[in-house]
Amino acid sequence: EPEVTQTPSHQVTQMGQEVILRCVPISNHLYFYWYRQILGQKVEFLVSFYNNEISEKSEIFDDQFSVERPDGSNFTLKIRSTKLEDSAMYFCASTLISGRGSYGYTFGSGTRLTVV
Amino acid sequence: GQQLNQSPQSMFIQEGEDVSMNCTSSSIFNTWLWYKQDPGEGPVLLIALYKAGELTSNGRLTAQFGITRKDSFLNISASIPSDVGIYFCAGLGSSNTGKLIFGQGTTLQVKP
Repeated sequence: EPEVTQTPSHQVTQMGQEVILRCVPISNHLYFYWYRQILGQKVEFLVSFYNNEISEKSEIFDDQFSVERPDGSNFTLKIRSTKLEDSAMYFCASTLISGRGSYGYTFGSGTRLTVV
Repeated sequence: GQQLNQSPQSMFIQEGEDVSMNCTSSSIFNTWLWYKQDPGEGPVLLIALYKAGELTSNGRLTAQFGITRKDSFLNISASIPSDVGIYFCAGLGSSNTGKLIFGQGTTLQVKP
């Protein structure tokens, strides 16, 4: 069964450093997402991406965050200057169709980001 | 913004018992999804609901999309130890970008 692949599985970084979280969505999917889950809390939407541009972003997704699909297969989330409160699990997701159907909405296994 | 309220927050049951959890919202959702999350893993889709009033089963799991489109429930029958995990409801937001809004989760523990 097709999978969304995320690397690394765990990243430890010092406060103020830049991190790039990587995702390989399912190959024929068109819509891509990043979500965040702080330990013990619910999954929160960060950003959606379609046709090489951001289609929606949440309040969490401030100027420190950016996303990119550099080569048609990878989908990255960059945090420019990490803060302690950025520590969380970050999930990438992709789907073939957005909107009402959302068929095949698949999540990766996540990257645990720890900012020290 | 749109929010989901999921209950109960946690459940501790005996193997073989049935379980029910639900989500409610003050706003309408056009799609409801139920996910299970194991420790250190991403959410895995269990059931998707697309029509108001729809009742869908997947093995021992049954979920319904409320007729008002503001609520959904998930039932697990004859629970087994591998049902342990966190169950999340998620609604497809109104923006049509595919954004999912998640409930707070129900932590299920099953005693053998």
